[in-house]
Amino acid sequence: DTAVSQTPKYLVTQMGNDKSIKCEQNLGHDTMYWYKQDSKKFLKIMFSYNNKELIINETVPNRFSPKSPDKAHLNLHINSLELGDSAVYFCASSQDRPGTGVLYGYTFGSGTRLTVV
Amino acid sequence: SQQGEEDPQALSIQEGENATMNCSYKTSINNLQWYRQNSGRGLVHLILIRSNEREKHSGRLRVTLDTSKKSSSLLITASRAADTASYFCASPGDYGQNFVFGPGTRLSVLP
Repeated sequence: DTAVSQTPKYLVTQMGNDKSIKCEQNLGHDTMYWYKQDSKKFLKIMFSYNNKELIINETVPNRFSPKSPDKAHLNLHINSLELGDSAVYFCASSQDRPGTGVLYGYTFGSGTRLTVV
Repeated sequence: SQQGEEDPQALSIQEGENATMNCSYKTSINNLQWYRQNSGRGLVHLILIRSNEREKHSGRLRVTLDTSKKSSSLLITASRAADTASYFCASPGDYGQNFVFGPGTRLSVLP
């Protein structure tokens, strides 16, 4: 059973389009994250949700909108895609809870490689 | 801000040799973690070391932590070709709400 699953694995789209990436975890974790990995392998936090509530919202363009219908899902919708959005997007989950700090390891999905042309 | 910085950026060794990677971080931590990423895959959690621990072992992995120097090292003993991957250290971010990852060390183990 896949612990953190992302779909799609690959996404090629034209500039200006709107696209979504879905993430689901079956670990019972309370907290989920979106990270962006650029071509130089730098991983940067984008968003964090705990039990459907937004915890972290880094300086990400408002074209990116996360949505968490329940604590097992955290989807990422991107409007008006730009060339610079091309990257690998990783979803992750952990047992951490707000106010307790980061105490547990993350479980990552296998990533979604987004290519904007 | 970039919290963890791995060193070296790339490392190439022969199978059977040991590989050592270092990580430096900037702020106080309660724990530090190491992850592995195989090409085209997600990150896999390897080991977590708490701030009151100095050394931790897991199979062929040995992690040390020196909080006075704000540094950690990952040693892989008797390396195998399958250890070829990028290795990242992760430490809590400025507000302690998420992990910040370094740029990683790309390890190549040659058969």
